[in-house]
Amino acid sequence: DVKVTQSSRYLVKRTGEKVFLECVQDMDHENMFWYRQDPGLGLRLIYFSYDVKMKEKGDIPEGYSVSREKKERFSLILESASTNQTSMYLCASRNLNSNQPQHFGDGTRLSIL
Amino acid sequence: DAKTTQPNSMESNEEEPVHLPCNHSTISGTDYIHWYRQLPSQGPEYVIHGLTSNVNNRMASLAIAEDRKSSTLILHRATLRDAAVYYCILSRGSGNTGKLIFGQGTTLQVKP
Repeated sequence: DVKVTQSSRYLVKRTGEKVFLECVQDMDHENMFWYRQDPGLGLRLIYFSYDVKMKEKGDIPEGYSVSREKKERFSLILESASTNQTSMYLCASRNLNSNQPQHFGDGTRLSIL
Repeated sequence: DAKTTQPNSMESNEEEPVHLPCNHSTISGTDYIHWYRQLPSQGPEYVIHGLTSNVNNRMASLAIAEDRKSSTLILHRATLRDAAVYYCILSRGSGNTGKLIFGQGTTLQVKP
């Protein structure tokens, strides 16, 4: 089975801090995604990556950046955390064939105080 | 991006079949129909997907209308562990980013 592991289930940080969320997948998938999930808004795509060192903006990239130095790891960075970035963050991966499903991690619930 | 419409909630009794409907009247020829579910405090879990023909796997069956404007996810015998939010999503099969657009989904309650 595909395993997508997010480094933390719960995280509390302060306004203005730089925050790193890590995601690792073990299936050699080319594509990786970061979403955030908020009540009433569903899942929204922040960034995605086609392959190592490749990244593309999703629907809501403002305030975020990403890093993909190795194929199995995709990091989401909050450059200067703000309270409106309090959310559930979900990482997903998928192989190159775009009709294949995405596999999600269990999420990181991030609170910015 | 093509949109899907699902009922907000449904109820089922344990060990009975459940039919979860989804309308996608603006589906295009290369759109795949994906179903995911999300249990409380977990990430979405892939259930099944298809293009034109009905599909079966160990979790569920997917029945796709002949005109592809609607589909139905079938859980053959609901268990308490099937209580979740079920999302019906269209994913373009070629040349897309793979972005999934999640709507509000259907909250399924399973009664013992």
